[in-house]
Amino acid sequence: QLQLQGSGPGLVKPSETLSLTCTVSGDSISSSSYYWGWIRQPPGKGLEWIGSIYYTGSTYYNPSLKSRVTISVDTSKNQFSLNLSSVTAADTAVYYCARSQPYSSDWAKGFDPWGQGTLVTVSS
Amino acid sequence: QSALTQPASVSGSPGQSITISCTGTSSDVGGYNYVSWYQQHPGKAPKLMIYEVSNRPSGVSNRFSGSKSGNTASLTISGLQTEDEADYYCNSYSSSSTPHVLFGGGTKLTVL
Repeated sequence: QLQLQGSGPGLVKPSETLSLTCTVSGDSISSSSYYWGWIRQPPGKGLEWIGSIYYTGSTYYNPSLKSRVTISVDTSKNQFSLNLSSVTAADTAVYYCARSQPYSSDWAKGFDPWGQGTLVTVSS
Repeated sequence: QSALTQPASVSGSPGQSITISCTGTSSDVGGYNYVSWYQQHPGKAPKLMIYEVSNRPSGVSNRFSGSKSGNTASLTISGLQTEDEADYYCNSYSSSSTPHVLFGGGTKLTVL
């Protein structure tokens, strides 16, 4: 059964870079035709797509975050990662990693399953 | 880019049916059959309930159905049950500016 487990610091200082990793188990990132994505949710608010990556390194980013976001993949570790630079309090959120839904290999047709989420607080 | 528009809240009694709308534009909801719906219980990760407008993933109850008309997609839940009380989000591909994915603002469903 596919599982995604996010990990990383729960507290980041303003102006620094937020770094999270998602470890995939139950499937190989490089052998499946899926995209892998990051979505965030500020406390008490809605979901926001950050970006998605294919195992080849091909990426799609949210235009509003693109200047600060880098998503990368490490197939040897079966992981993909998120870096968000120059963070502010507005970046405080639960960050979810997810796979593109299994009924299509398209990057934009939905996400399933999701990881459990990692709360990241931006504060000095 | 703007989020897709959903009502903030809807409510219904057990056994009734409700519909949640998700309104976008011809560059997203109206232009592509790429609308998905998610259910999120408090403190939990979202769960895919409908993909590509009207398709149910394996294991999702047939009480959940999706449709689309013009720039508005809809999620209908029939035979409401107390466990359906949750937040629901739509999302869609958007071709506006650079290709990206949009989410709706979310709808809180209360089962009275």
